[in-house]
Amino acid sequence: QKEVEQNSGPLSVPEGAIASLNCTYSDRGSQSFFWYRQYSGKSPELIMSIYSNGDKEDGRFTAQLNKASQYVSLLIRDSQPSDSATYLCAVKPRQLTFGSGTQLTVLP
Amino acid sequence: DADVTQTPRNRITKTGKRIMLECSQTKGHDRMYWYRQDPGLGLRLIYYSFDVKDINKGEISDGYSVSRQAQAKFSLSLESAIPNQTALYFCATSPTGNADTQYFGPGTRLTVL
Repeated sequence: QKEVEQNSGPLSVPEGAIASLNCTYSDRGSQSFFWYRQYSGKSPELIMSIYSNGDKEDGRFTAQLNKASQYVSLLIRDSQPSDSATYLCAVKPRQLTFGSGTQLTVLP
Repeated sequence: DADVTQTPRNRITKTGKRIMLECSQTKGHDRMYWYRQDPGLGLRLIYYSFDVKDINKGEISDGYSVSRQAQAKFSLSLESAIPNQTALYFCATSPTGNADTQYFGPGTRLTVL
């Protein structure tokens, strides 16, 4: 079992819709959770971090964490074509461990 | 100017050759990391360093070595390159006070023939 699992996609949503990206992790000792965005041919950049159960909102992005279910999600509201990228979930039990990423395409 | 730079950006080499990838940063961060990215496998940690005298193996260190020449410089070497080391390599840094936030360099695309 991979330590961090994501659906690879591709996930396509129309412009203005809500994009929902999901991630599960195996190490119950994980305390820190992150979402990175990676545009094609570029390096990953951190967009959200979350440390406690519940929701954390930042602009159009909402991260959700459920430690009991070992589940992290990222919601992107009012999706824009510029949101088209691969989204990497990362979990930190000791060092950052990344999922393989979900490719999101927002259709104009 | 980029805060984290990597050289070379692209490299094609042959099996058995020794190759060094270099990473420099102007962020003043103590912690530096080397990752490789393969399609479908995400980013995997090769080595990391918390300061000049501290080097730690990551998930996939076999076949690689590193050198932390200074706070700002962290090099990754492939002593005898093999084709399955063909990948995109990223260097990253993080500050000691906020080690959860990592800043990535632009990446080096390495092809081993």
